[in-house]
Amino acid sequence: EPEVTQTPSHQVTQMGQEVILRCVPISNHLYFYWYRQILGQKVEFLVSFYNNEISEKSEIFDDQFSVERPDGSNFTLKIRSTKLEDSAMYFCASTAPSPGEQYFGPGTRLTVT
Amino acid sequence: AQSVTQLDSHVSVSEGTPVLLRCNYSSSYSPSLFWYVQHPNKGLQLLLKYTSAATLVKGINGFEAEFKKSETSFHLTKPSAHMSDAAEYFCVVREDDKIIFGKGTRLHILP
Repeated sequence: EPEVTQTPSHQVTQMGQEVILRCVPISNHLYFYWYRQILGQKVEFLVSFYNNEISEKSEIFDDQFSVERPDGSNFTLKIRSTKLEDSAMYFCASTAPSPGEQYFGPGTRLTVT
Repeated sequence: AQSVTQLDSHVSVSEGTPVLLRCNYSSSYSPSLFWYVQHPNKGLQLLLKYTSAATLVKGINGFEAEFKKSETSFHLTKPSAHMSDAAEYFCVVREDDKIIFGKGTRLHILP
């Protein structure tokens, strides 16, 4: 069964540092997403990406965040200058064209100290 | 505009009794609807999905959900709860590439 993979599984960084979270979506999927989940809270949408550009973003996705699909397989989330409140589990997801479901990666736990 | 409302943030049932997790949605036209489960410290797992075929959808682990267009509901049920069902459950609506999560319902199973 195809699956979405994410690396690393856990990232610890100091406040102010840049981090890049990596995702490999399912190969024939066209839509890509990042979500975050702060410990004990709900899953929050960050951004969706289609046809090499952002199709939608939430108010959480401010200028410190960026996404990129640098090659045909990876989909990355960059946080430019991390803050303590960025500590969360970050999930990547991909979908085939509607109406299929999202396939989620296992998540990257980001801890900002 | 799309929205998803999970009516209960917490539900507690005794082991062996039925489970009902409620979800209402709003959508411009017939959406795709999903239920995901998240066990503690785990990722999101698809339980079941509705994509305009049969309105009663069966999923994994004995769960099922019924799409009721007249009530704009997609409630999740299971006839008999098991301790391993204790988790967070998310109702999700998809319309084209726009996907909205409900706030989640935490299911507690009492021994």
